[in-house]
Amino acid sequence: AQSVTQLDSQVPVFEEAPVELRCNYSSSVSVYLFWYVQYPNQGLQLLLKYLSGSTLVKGINGFEAEFNKSQTSFHLRKPSVHISDTAEYFCAVSDFGNQFYFGTGTSLTVIP
Amino acid sequence: DVKVTQSSRYLVKRTGEKVFLECVQDMDHENMFWYRQDPGLGLRLIYFSYDVKMKEKGDIPEGYSVSREKKERFSLILESASTNQTSMYLCATRQGRKTGELFFGEGSRLTVL
Repeated sequence: AQSVTQLDSQVPVFEEAPVELRCNYSSSVSVYLFWYVQYPNQGLQLLLKYLSGSTLVKGINGFEAEFNKSQTSFHLRKPSVHISDTAEYFCAVSDFGNQFYFGTGTSLTVIP
Repeated sequence: DVKVTQSSRYLVKRTGEKVFLECVQDMDHENMFWYRQDPGLGLRLIYFSYDVKMKEKGDIPEGYSVSREKKERFSLILESASTNQTSMYLCATRQGRKTGELFFGEGSRLTVL
């Protein structure tokens, strides 16, 4: 089974500043990688995904992530955050089986 | 767009009551999942199903059962609710094995008193 580590449980950042949310996973075998966002009292929405191909993946709302196979990482970045980006962010890994493995989440708070 | 609908957004039940949480999807996806979400623990898989009448235990199946009589519907059942089952429950679907992302419902927040 995979394990997914999101090192930062809370990340405060000022509006219009850049942000990076870190995600590492345990296995170097081929995987699918995902970032989801959750707004208060809602389900999870897909931000972006890596299935194959280019290691730099662009998603919705200006987010992007880079797959690094040697470091087994999939960090999420945004060059300039908005108040509306305040939410919980989850990294997830699927190792071609039928299960997903989720990190414990990172709470991003954008400060005006 | 895939639509995953969970029957109840908020429920309050008493200890010992039987609880049904229903999930319906409209995209003919084969796979359906039930997760539980608790602060600091992320999402934990309770049960999943990859076909009608098929079910597989996830990481925390104790105290739960599931039913999938039709492809579009996946129900989570708490036979006798306990206070430690107070949580957010999330249903998700996936088109098939090894095929991309999960699609989530809005969640059902259950409080057991």
